[in-house]
Amino acid sequence: QVQLVQSGAEVKKPGASVKVSCKASGYTFTSYGISWVRQAPGQGLEWMGWISAYNGNTNYAQKLQGRVTMTTDTSTSTAYMELRSLRSDDTAVYYCARARDIVESKDYWGQGTLVTVSS
Amino acid sequence: SYELTQPPSVSVSPGQTARITCSADALPKQYAYWYQQKPGQAPVLVIYKDSERPSGIPERFSGSSSGTTVTLTISGVQAEDEADYYCQSADSSGTYSVVFGGGTKLTVL
Repeated sequence: QVQLVQSGAEVKKPGASVKVSCKASGYTFTSYGISWVRQAPGQGLEWMGWISAYNGNTNYAQKLQGRVTMTTDTSTSTAYMELRSLRSDDTAVYYCARARDIVESKDYWGQGTLVTVSS
Repeated sequence: SYELTQPPSVSVSPGQTARITCSADALPKQYAYWYQQKPGQAPVLVIYKDSERPSGIPERFSGSSSGTTVTLTISGVQAEDEADYYCQSADSSGTYSVVFGGGTKLTVL
């Protein structure tokens, strides 16, 4: 069965960086991409970007351009999302989700990773 | 920027029909996708490409599209359907990107 398992919760200080991992299993990793979506406490879903696991092509939300980097390691079927220059409003649950392309269905989701940014 | 507008809340009694709308502010409208999210859980895809239902999703969930508005319909609502529902589509006007609606809290009375 398809599973996406994310790394554990993180606490970071403002200005620091965080890197969240998302390990995929149960399907051919390179046949899909990975979308990253975050959700601030009590708020809605916010799309962060998408990466192709086939060729590494990325598409980032304009709001996060320059602060976010998405990568994949096909040898371990793992996707990574790094966010730099963290601010308090980056405090959120970060989700990875499988998606064939940028807009397509996010049909399987990870369990979420809480990132708390606090001094 | 491209926006999707949903009502903040919808309330129905068990067994009734719930309709949640999602309006795009511009044409062309891309396909819409709907996600259900229960407290403390990751979202679950319930409708894709406006009206297709993934395997494992009950038949009482359906989707439709008219002009720039898409609608998620839940027929014969059950208590377990109480959740937040988000529509999602694409902004193809500039840099291709994904947009989520603000979410609708469905309350089963």
